[in-house]
Amino acid sequence: GDSVTQMEGPVTLSEEAFLTINCTYTATGYPSLFWYVQYPGEGLQLLLKATKADDKGSNKGFEATYRKETTSFHLEKGSVQVSDSAVYFCALSFSGGYQKVTFGIGTKLQVIP
Amino acid sequence: DAGVTQSPTHLIKTRGQHVTLRCSPISGHKSVSWYQQVLGQGPQFIFQYYEKEERGRGNFPDRFSARQFPNYSSELNVNALLLGDSALYLCASTVPGGPRDEQYFGPGTRLTVT
Repeated sequence: GDSVTQMEGPVTLSEEAFLTINCTYTATGYPSLFWYVQYPGEGLQLLLKATKADDKGSNKGFEATYRKETTSFHLEKGSVQVSDSAVYFCALSFSGGYQKVTFGIGTKLQVIP
Repeated sequence: DAGVTQSPTHLIKTRGQHVTLRCSPISGHKSVSWYQQVLGQGPQFIFQYYEKEERGRGNFPDRFSARQFPNYSSELNVNALLLGDSALYLCASTVPGGPRDEQYFGPGTRLTVT
């Protein structure tokens, strides 16, 4: 079945450091790929998405590129802030039929001043 | 515009009891999905409903059931609660034909089973 593998945290970075959170997927076909963010005590918010190979999703300084050849969708940010501290989930889904989203385990990011 | 709303926010039940969780989708959204997020894990798909019909079901026992009402709101029911049912239950709504596969999540209901 479909699955998403992402690096386990926690990841601790100093403010203004570079962030990379790795994500790879296994799926039959070509899914849409997503990064969701969950702040403490809150639900999930869509951070960015990409729907086909070589697409780059970006939002709030975060970026991720859909790499079909390596089945990856790594999340990056050039300079993290304390307010970026949250849990980040990589996810995939297929259109058509029913829209089940398959999530990774989540990576907790802590940014210290 | 209001986002996806869920009630209650928190709930404490004892083993063997029954629970009903509620979700109201974003206005105009006709599809609702339910997810279970156990502490320290990613959300797991439970159900999707569209136009009051079940369109998909995850790997959950028959103790879990749901329904969707004419106004597109939804209820998730769990019978014979187990300690392992303690989790954050998330509801998400979608616009069919809208942004491809994009789901909008509510804040969740935190269920604790003692």
